Amino acid sequence: QKEVEQNSGPLSVPEGAIASLNCTYSDRVSQSFFWYRQYSGKSPELIMSIYSNGDKEDGRFTAQLNKASQYVSLLIRDSQPSDSATYLCAVLIIQGAQKLVFGQGTRLTINP
Amino acid sequence: DGGITQSPKYLFRKEGQNVTLSCEQNLNHDAMYWYRQDPGQGLRLIYYSQIVNDFQKGDIAEGYSVSREKKESFPLTVTSAQKNPTAFYLCASRPTSGAYSYNEQFFGPGTRLTVL
Repeated sequence: QKEVEQNSGPLSVPEGAIASLNCTYSDRVSQSFFWYRQYSGKSPELIMSIYSNGDKEDGRFTAQLNKASQYVSLLIRDSQPSDSATYLCAVLIIQGAQKLVFGQGTRLTINP
Repeated sequence: DGGITQSPKYLFRKEGQNVTLSCEQNLNHDAMYWYRQDPGQGLRLIYYSQIVNDFQKGDIAEGYSVSREKKESFPLTVTSAQKNPTAFYLCASRPTSGAYSYNEQFFGPGTRLTVL
């Protein structure tokens, strides 16, 4: 089992709809979770971090965390064509050193 | 203007050559990381360093080497032993002091390496 798993997509959503991106992880002691957005040919950009169970909202983005189910998700409301990108889920693993483990990424396309 | 810089943006290497990719940060971050990304793939960790003069192998360290002589700098050398080096290389940094679990990681703009 991979440490962090995402559906690679592609996920296609009409403009104005809600895009839902999901991620599961295997390390039960992980405490910190991150979502990055990566446009084609560019480096990943941090868009959300979440540390506690429940929802965290920032503008059109909502991150949801359920540690019991080892599940983290990202909702994008009122999706715009500019949201079309690959979204990477990352989990902080602490095994002596601290490092982020990334999922494979979900490619999202918003259709006008 | 704080941030992470990588140079060059594009790099071409002939087979059998060693090349060094630069990564510099002025964020005063302790930890630095090197990742490799192949087309349509996720990020794979090559090397990481938590403090100056110390570094650890990641998941795909073979054919690569690093140094961490200064806090601000973490150069990556792609050696001739790396058989398939064509990829997008990303450097990242994050703080490790204080409430480490809240420390966020940021990426440089990347270097695209092509073997001719």
